[in-house]
Amino acid sequence: QSALTQPASVSGSPGQSITISCTGTSSDIGTNDLISWYQHHPGKAPKLMIFKVTNRPSGVSFRFSGSKSGNMASLTISGLQAEDEADYYCCSCAGESTWVFGGGTRVTVL
Amino acid sequence: VQLVESGGGLVKPGGSLRLSCAASGFKFTDAWMSWVRQAPGKGLEWVGRIYSKGSGETTEYTASVKGRFSISRDDSRNMIYLQMNSLNAEDTAVYFCTWVGSTMALDYWGQGSLVTVSS
Repeated sequence: QSALTQPASVSGSPGQSITISCTGTSSDIGTNDLISWYQHHPGKAPKLMIFKVTNRPSGVSFRFSGSKSGNMASLTISGLQAEDEADYYCCSCAGESTWVFGGGTRVTVL
Repeated sequence: VQLVESGGGLVKPGGSLRLSCAASGFKFTDAWMSWVRQAPGKGLEWVGRIYSKGSGETTEYTASVKGRFSISRDDSRNMIYLQMNSLNAEDTAVYFCTWVGSTMALDYWGQGSLVTVSS
């Protein structure tokens, strides 16, 4: 199973909104809602930011939101802050099939 | 919740290594667990998962490690293991132990254990 496709980098100024796309196929993103997003600051443990496409775990800022349309999922960060600068990964982590991550997106706050 | 990996280190190509993950803070016997790795300068890669005994203790692996890696669990010790055989340079990575929580996502992650395959 091929990795999901994410842009290598996205940048924005503080206060702006950015969206990270995650493109898969009808075999993964298109047919399951177990899409999750992870924030990873290098050298630290990754952190779950969004689960089941749109849900935020307790403690995750409301500035993070997820959506899905067809074979593409998206993560939007609104009101961009310096602490949001990190790598972000989508994952189709579902059920009995093999699970797969996106290639990762480096978010830079200008 | 705490996940602590151990067992990483330097191993020669063709060699074997076993990683361990000690879990605490949640009901381990019901837990689905997974391993994820990150090679130097690369992104996250899902390695494999193991379901709870109640879910059949089934395992699944990414294609690149199938037949070489195996995941097992010891519910009496709250531990999972990643047995890695026939290692090659492409297996050099930080290996993370993760817990699949009620969100059906990778709720918690360990700090990772570095495996280096080199002669």
